[in-house]
Amino acid sequence: DTGVSQDPRHKITKRGQNVTFRCDPISEHNRLYWYRQTLGQGPEFLTYFQNEAQLEKSRLLSDRFSAERPKGSFSTLEIQRTEQGDSAMYLCASSLSATSNEQFFGPGTRLTVL
Amino acid sequence: GESVGLHLPTLSVQEGDNSIINCAYSNSASDYFIWYKQESGKGPQFIIDIRSNMDKRQGQRVTVLLNKTVKHLSLQIAATQPGDSAVYFCAEKGASGTYKYIFGTGTRLKVLA
Repeated sequence: DTGVSQDPRHKITKRGQNVTFRCDPISEHNRLYWYRQTLGQGPEFLTYFQNEAQLEKSRLLSDRFSAERPKGSFSTLEIQRTEQGDSAMYLCASSLSATSNEQFFGPGTRLTVL
Repeated sequence: GESVGLHLPTLSVQEGDNSIINCAYSNSASDYFIWYKQESGKGPQFIIDIRSNMDKRQGQRVTVLLNKTVKHLSLQIAATQPGDSAVYFCAEKGASGTYKYIFGTGTRLKVLA
C-alpha cells in the first residue's frame, strides 16, 4: 500500500501524559498537513509543512502541541500534558504541489484521553 | 467501526436517483474548493475540485457547481449507488498567502435500496 500511513491507529492515554503520533506521507509528496476531527465535525486544520519547513500553524494549536518533519519525509505530532478535550481523530494528509492541490488523507489516529 | 458525524444533516436518496449536496462557504476570497467523501473509520477521500475562476466542473458521475455571488457550492452525484453512502464535506482554501483548508460540517448521504 503506497498511501498515507499513520501510527498508531488508536491511542488511549491518561490525562497529563504525553503522546506522539507519526505520519508517513506518500513518497515524494512535499506537502504535509495535520488535522484534528471530532465527532460530527469536519477536519480542523492544525499545521502545514512544505518539505521540512513548518509554514503555517493554526492559532488553535496551543503550545502543548508540536509538530516536526525533520527530513522532509515523515512527520510527528506531539501533544504534551494531554487533556480530555484533546480526544479526537488526528488526520494527516499529503500532496504534491507541482501538479495538484489534491490532498491524500491517512486513516487517522484516534486519541482517547481518560 | 466508529461512525463519522452522528448528528449531521442527512440526505436520503433512492438508489439510481441523482443526489445534490449543498455547502455554504465562509470566505469570499477563497480561491479553491474541494469535495471530500468520508466513510466510517476512514480518512476523507478527494472527489472533485474547482477553482474560483470556474463555475462548473464535471467528473465521473459527479459535478461541482460554484456560485461565488452567494458563496455556495454544490455536489451533484448522478445515478447514486449504495457505495456512495458516506459523509460529504466541502473544503475551501483561502487566497494566496495561506495553506489552510477550512472544512464544512458535512452532510450524510444515505442511499436507499
